[in-house]
Amino acid sequence: DAGVIQSPRHEVTEMGQEVTLRCKPISGHNSLFWYRQTMMRGLELLIYFNNNVPIDDSGMPEDRFSAKMPNASFSTLKIQPSEPRDSAVYFCASSPGTAVYEQYFGPGTRLTVT
Amino acid sequence: QKEVEQNSGPLSVPEGAIASLNCTYSDRGSQSFFWYRQYSGKSPELIMFIYSNGDKEDGRFTAQLNKASQYVSLLIRDSQPSDSATYLCAVIFGNEKLTFGTGTRLTIIP
Repeated sequence: DAGVIQSPRHEVTEMGQEVTLRCKPISGHNSLFWYRQTMMRGLELLIYFNNNVPIDDSGMPEDRFSAKMPNASFSTLKIQPSEPRDSAVYFCASSPGTAVYEQYFGPGTRLTVT
Repeated sequence: QKEVEQNSGPLSVPEGAIASLNCTYSDRGSQSFFWYRQYSGKSPELIMFIYSNGDKEDGRFTAQLNKASQYVSLLIRDSQPSDSATYLCAVIFGNEKLTFGTGTRLTIIP
C-alpha cells in the first residue's frame, strides 16, 4: 500500500513568489496533518483536517499561509508571498482517526526561499 | 502550555548494549504516546505507540509508560549501528494533535 505522497520533494523559489505544496494521504485515513521542521524550532504542527474539514489551524504562522483539503485524497499548503524565513522541511502526515491516532509521515518537501 | 521534554543528547551507546531514551510530559490526562525515529534528511517513522501503563515490546524495542510519573521511555536492546538516528517522543493532549519533543540524537558506536 502506498504511503503518504508529497510533491514536490524540493522547491527553490525567490522571496515574494507563491509556493504550493501538495499531499496525498494514505487511502482510508480520515485525518491529515501539515508540519514544518527546522533546526531551531523542531517539528511544529501547522494545521490538521478531519474528514476534509480544518479542525485546528492555530499553528499556521500568519496569513501568508493557507491550506485546503478539497477531497479525501488531496491537500495543499500554500505560502503567498514566500519569505526566506519560510525555508524549512514541510511534512504531511495522515492517520486513520476515529480512536486510531498513529500518524504516518510523507517524505517531506524541502523548501528554500532565497 | 502542554509540553514534551526529552534530553537532546547526543547519547552514545556501544553496539550490542541497551539504549535507553526518556521522555516526560506535562499533562497528566494524556492517553496516547508515540516514539518516532528520524534518520538525517528523512521523515519521522513511527516505531512504537503505547496507550496503557506498563511495557509494550516489539522486537528489539520496548516502550514503557508510567502515567503516575508522567514518564515514557524507549529501550532498544542489542543496539545496532543502524539504530543511530534522532528519536522523537510525541504525546496526544486531548484531541488528535501530536505534540513532539525536540528529539534525542542516538549514536551507536561499533
